[in-house]
Amino acid sequence: ETGVTQSPTHLIKTRGQQVTLRCSSQSGHNTVSWYQQALGQGPQFIFQYYREEENGRGNFPPRFSGLQFPNYSSELNVNALELDDSALYLCASSPPTSGGRRETQYFGPGTRLLVL
Amino acid sequence: AQTVTQSQPEMSVQEAETVTLSCTYDTSESDYYLFWYKQPPSRQMILVIRQEAYKQQNATENRFSVNFQKAAKSFSLKISDSQLGDAAMYFCAYRASLNYGGSQGNLIFGKGTKLSVKP
Repeated sequence: ETGVTQSPTHLIKTRGQQVTLRCSSQSGHNTVSWYQQALGQGPQFIFQYYREEENGRGNFPPRFSGLQFPNYSSELNVNALELDDSALYLCASSPPTSGGRRETQYFGPGTRLLVL
Repeated sequence: AQTVTQSQPEMSVQEAETVTLSCTYDTSESDYYLFWYKQPPSRQMILVIRQEAYKQQNATENRFSVNFQKAAKSFSLKISDSQLGDAAMYFCAYRASLNYGGSQGNLIFGKGTKLSVKP
């Protein structure tokens, strides 16, 4: 069984540019969540996608946007990059809910973004 | 709003000894999950153990066990027979378990505890 994968592993951008990060969910998982982890901090929730629709969002500005595709893979797009966007971006997938109860999220290895 | 607090930024343990990592949380919900995730230098966030709040029995996974005190909103992780490979950042996380009522499905993390294992 293939786990959650993310690409690229590392990325360097300059302030003002745009970036797209990609995530392939684990087989059988239909929900994808994105998190931002600043250095020395715990991950912070950006948003979640379920059946190609945004299904919850954290305290992040609209320049953070996403997509989910029919195969449940996902993209995170960040426009007008700022220095504070430098962080590890983690994607997590989870299987369908069971009896109305959410299932565990499994994480990918992350993408390290550096904004200069 | 739910919060998760890890009061120990760093902990150290001798190989083969036992160590306990602390976590407290705040929520008004009665049904939720609590997790411990491990993040080694490779950055991959790995699930260590999961506790369902409605279950009174503490979860165990091999050398890892939790002490879940629901009334005190405390959720500590005990690592027995510590191994060099246990060295990592450990994050405690909370998640609402029921998929309705507008509650978000996201994990809420603490700031983490860095565990060092001495040979």
